[in-house]
Amino acid sequence: VIWMTQSPSLLSASTGDRVTISCRMSQGISSYLAWYQQKPGKAPELLIYAASTLQSGVPSRFSGSGSGTDFTLTISCLQSEDFATYYCQQYYSFPWTFGQGTKVEIK
Amino acid sequence: EVQLVESGGGLVKPGGSLRLSCAASGFTFSSYSMNWVRQAPGKGLEWVSSISSSSSYIYYADSVKGRFTISRDNAKNSLYLQMNSLRAEDTAVYYCAREDDSSGYIDYWGQGTLVTVSS
Repeated sequence: VIWMTQSPSLLSASTGDRVTISCRMSQGISSYLAWYQQKPGKAPELLIYAASTLQSGVPSRFSGSGSGTDFTLTISCLQSEDFATYYCQQYYSFPWTFGQGTKVEIK
Repeated sequence: EVQLVESGGGLVKPGGSLRLSCAASGFTFSSYSMNWVRQAPGKGLEWVSSISSSSSYIYYADSVKGRFTISRDNAKNSLYLQMNSLRAEDTAVYYCAREDDSSGYIDYWGQGTLVTVSS
């Protein structure tokens, strides 16, 4: 099993801030990493796959980087609609695993 | 438009069984691997099971192996999850999810169906 450590679990920020979320793997996964956004009461939505490829329709203020064991999701200029919970997911090997989630809240 | 609509959730006693269904539309269902992912109340996401487009490859999380069975009917554009020997810790919203081009990440999710295991 590939274990994931996502940090921070809670991030307080203001509109316009640049925020960064980290995801660290227990072993290398090349670039087999996705990021999802989830709002309360809703299903998750895909933001980024292959560590850095933006899903169609996702605003360019979202970006992903990293490979191997360390990955980062960056929101360059936080908007009101970005306050949500974010999850990373590895799909390098089964069982697929998700990070614990990062809740981005209004400061 | 891709649509995934789950059904079959509800309240069941510990040790009981439930069968979830997912009706797919808006894409060629038989060409995609499909998954079930769950989320316990107030908790994070947990992958449950995956089935390839032709049902040749099936995988389960250790937490459900031997109790849950994933299946699909490509003629009916439907995905299923048979859940037996249910436990309180299986209480969660269960999402039906499409896997992009058998690559491993999920590009579309259903709205979810709540399963509550309680006496």
